[in-house]
Amino acid sequence: KAGVTQTPRYLIKTRGQQVTLSCSPISGHRSVSWYQQTPGQGLQFLFEYFSETQRNKGNFPGRFSGRQFSNSRSEMNVSTLELGDSALYLCASSLGGSPLHFGNGTRLTVT
Amino acid sequence: AQRVTQPEKLLSVFKGAPVELKCNYSYSGSPELFWYVQYSRQRLQLLLRHISRESIKGFTADLNKGETSFHLKKPFAQEEDSAMYYCALQDYNQGGKLIFGQGTELSVKP
Repeated sequence: KAGVTQTPRYLIKTRGQQVTLSCSPISGHRSVSWYQQTPGQGLQFLFEYFSETQRNKGNFPGRFSGRQFSNSRSEMNVSTLELGDSALYLCASSLGGSPLHFGNGTRLTVT
Repeated sequence: AQRVTQPEKLLSVFKGAPVELKCNYSYSGSPELFWYVQYSRQRLQLLLRHISRESIKGFTADLNKGETSFHLKKPFAQEEDSAMYYCALQDYNQGGKLIFGQGTELSVKP
C-alpha cells in the first residue's frame, strides 16, 4: 500500500504570497489531518477533514484553510504568508481518527 | 488544559544501557496515549499505543494514571534506536486531535 504522499516537498515563498499544499492519503483512509512542525512550537494541530467536512480545527488564524475532495485528497492553503509561517507541514491520514500515518511533509520557507 | 510534557530534549546513552524516555500528561478523562518515532530522514511513524499493551522493537510503555505518566522504556538500547521520540495524547474533549509533546532526541552511542 502506498503511504501518505505530500507535494511539493519544498517551497520557497515571499511574504504576502499565498501557498497551497497537497496531500494524498493512504487508499481507503477518509480522515486527513494537518500539523505544523517548528523547532519552537513542536507539532501543532491545524485541522482535520473527514468525508469532505472539517471535523476539527486547531488554534490557527483564518489565513490557514483547507479542504478535502471526494477522493479524500486534501489541500491546505495559507494566504498572506508571514515569516513565522516557515515550517514543516505534515499531513496524516487514518481510517477514522487513529492511529495516524504521516507523510514526509512539505518544507515551507517564507522570505 | 490538556498537555503532554517530555522533560528531556536530549537523552544520550551507551549501547546496551537501559533507556527511559519520560512523558507526563494532563487530561480530563480517560487518555489514549501514543509514542511516535522519527528516524533520520524518515517520516514520523507510530511506535506503540497504550491500549495495545505490546512491545515494539523491544520498547514498552505503561500508562500510570496515578502519576499521569506514559514513559517509554527499553532494557538494552541499540544504535539503531537513535531517533526523535514524541509522546502524544488523543484529546477526545476536542474532537480527537493529537496533542504532541516537544519530543526527546535519543542518541545511542557505540
